[in-house]
Amino acid sequence: AQSVTQLDSQVPVFEEAPVELRCNYSSSVSVYLFWYVQYPNQGLQLLLKYLSGSTLVKGINGFEAEFNKSQTSFHLRKPSVHISDTAEYFCAVRGSNDYKLSFGAGTTVTVRA
Amino acid sequence: NAGVTQTPKFQVLKTGQSMTLQCAQDMNHEYMSWYRQDPGMGLRLIHYSVGAGITDQGEVPNGYNVSRSTTEDFPLRLLSAAPSQTSVYFCASTPGGTYNEQFFGPGTRLTVL
Repeated sequence: AQSVTQLDSQVPVFEEAPVELRCNYSSSVSVYLFWYVQYPNQGLQLLLKYLSGSTLVKGINGFEAEFNKSQTSFHLRKPSVHISDTAEYFCAVRGSNDYKLSFGAGTTVTVRA
Repeated sequence: NAGVTQTPKFQVLKTGQSMTLQCAQDMNHEYMSWYRQDPGMGLRLIHYSVGAGITDQGEVPNGYNVSRSTTEDFPLRLLSAAPSQTSVYFCASTPGGTYNEQFFGPGTRLTVL
């Protein structure tokens, strides 16, 4: 089984400042990693995913994440946030031989002017 | 494609009532799943299906039933609603193969009084 820990439940940040959301996972098998975003009163939308290959993954809306196998981490970053990035962000993991996703508890990002 | 659709968007039930949350996808995806989202707990897997006629339990299956008679539809049944089932419910689907992310519906907000 896999599990995910998102280390920050809330991250306030000013507009145009950088942001990093931390995600650690545990698994006994190879994993695929995902970041999803949920805007207020909406469903989940995929930001980016790591399957294999380059450990730096670029996603939509200027987000990127780095897979670190030795530290079992998959932190999400954006160099300059906008008000429209205010949302809840979920890190998720699944085993490479499984369809089931395990989610972290989520990080709420609030961007202020 | 409409993607993953869920009905209703909102529902209020009294304790002990039964209801079915509908989920449909028009992408011919093999795998479908139901999650519930509760504050501070992320998304937790209720039930999932790897194809028509095949279902299995997830992390929090108690109080819920599912069936998968067609590839397109995956309804979630609450037989006797309890206040602890107040939550937002998301349906998701993914194509076969190990490289694909899950696509989420817009959610159903359920309140049990």
